Amino acid sequence: GQNIDQPTEMTATEGAIVQINCTYQTSGFNGLFWYQQHAGEAPTFLSYNVLDGLEEKGRFSSFLSRSKGYSYLLLKELQMKDSASYLCAAYNFNKFYFGSGTKLNVKP
Amino acid sequence: DTAVSQTPKYLVTQMGNDKSIKCEQNLGHDTMYWYKQDSKKFLKIMFSYNNKELIINETVPNRFSPKSPDKAHLNLHINSLELGDSAVYFCASSSSEPDTQYFGPGTRLTVL
Repeated sequence: GQNIDQPTEMTATEGAIVQINCTYQTSGFNGLFWYQQHAGEAPTFLSYNVLDGLEEKGRFSSFLSRSKGYSYLLLKELQMKDSASYLCAAYNFNKFYFGSGTKLNVKP
Repeated sequence: DTAVSQTPKYLVTQMGNDKSIKCEQNLGHDTMYWYKQDSKKFLKIMFSYNNKELIINETVPNRFSPKSPDKAHLNLHINSLELGDSAVYFCASSSSEPDTQYFGPGTRLTVL
């Protein structure tokens, strides 16, 4: 079976740094995606990791360790608009398996 | 231009009815998907189509049937709707070797 785990909810302060973890166990694995989803909206793509290591995109970075079945999304210089759910998804040949999402609350 | 579009945005219907949700993508992608997001916000894949062929059929009831008239469209037909079908349904598309996946705006289905 497929198992994707993320914390349910996190709270952080505007301007701070927050790390959202994701662990996965899948029968096959080709890569790890992160999405942002604001309430009532569709998920939007943030990052994609295939190889081990850190991928940086502006304020957002994503890390992958294939041997550990572990990824994290790092958000720097938090802004109020970053309040949203963050979904990790393990990809295996046309199959995307999503975690339940981490709701991030950014406080002033 | 909208990359992935779905219609309708909202759908309210009675139990036992049959309904369809349409999806179109103008990105030239080879693969399209249908997801169901329930009230707990868990996003679960239902179907995936690659070049008009069904390549995944996750364990969803056979009341749900995807139909793809061409590469740019993947419609979802639901027979004999049940209360538990109430959810938001998202269409998405990607290339065959995806480095991203684009989602439609979602269709909120409410079964009364």
